[in-house]
Amino acid sequence: GAGVSQSPSNKVTEKGKDVELRCDPISGHTALYWYRQRLGQGLEFLIYFQGNSAPDKSGLPSDRFSAERTGESVSTLTIQRTQQEDSAVYLCASSSRSLAASYEQYFGPGTRLTVT
Amino acid sequence: KNQVEQSPQSLIILEGKNCTLQCNYTVSPFSNLRWYKQDTGRGPVSLTIMTFSENTKSNGRYTATLDADTKQSSLHITASQLSDSASYICVVGLNTGGFKTIFGAGTRLFVKA
Repeated sequence: GAGVSQSPSNKVTEKGKDVELRCDPISGHTALYWYRQRLGQGLEFLIYFQGNSAPDKSGLPSDRFSAERTGESVSTLTIQRTQQEDSAVYLCASSSRSLAASYEQYFGPGTRLTVT
Repeated sequence: KNQVEQSPQSLIILEGKNCTLQCNYTVSPFSNLRWYKQDTGRGPVSLTIMTFSENTKSNGRYTATLDADTKQSSLHITASQLSDSASYICVVGLNTGGFKTIFGAGTRLFVKA
């Protein structure tokens, strides 16, 4: 079956512009996560969704970052007024509801964002 | 503070050799521990998942161990191959009723011919 997909795969934007990153989780997965990974560094948790609600937004670095999820499916991460420090790979993952598999996060290939 | 620390930061080994990567965590309440492999430019892929009651789990040439008392885990790679060159990430899940996870910074493994 299809895995987690993300679009675009690469995005170059000018400082100050807004960007939208999209994540399509595995069908039926109720949990969805966004992470940021700066070059050569580990993953940094941003936000997770359970269904369409976001119980944990603690990782969002500033109010320029927001995310939404609709239909318990697609999620969009929006970065407003991008800054150069926003340059990173943004990874999305999803997880199913079942007891055993709920511990497993399946990752997409990521969106590489470059802010010039 | 919930933390996951991995060592070494990077490692170079010759093809065919074995290696062991370490993960120490101070995460509470503990739910599970996972090891992921992340190839350059790709998303992480799960290797093993262990809950509190499991102390070893194998996946082919990968064997993970967990000592919940000392809060340590290791990932042993047997007979390394060039394709094992990647980052290996230790991830600990919290038992908070949600899906909160803490990621380690990873160990970068280079396997040379």
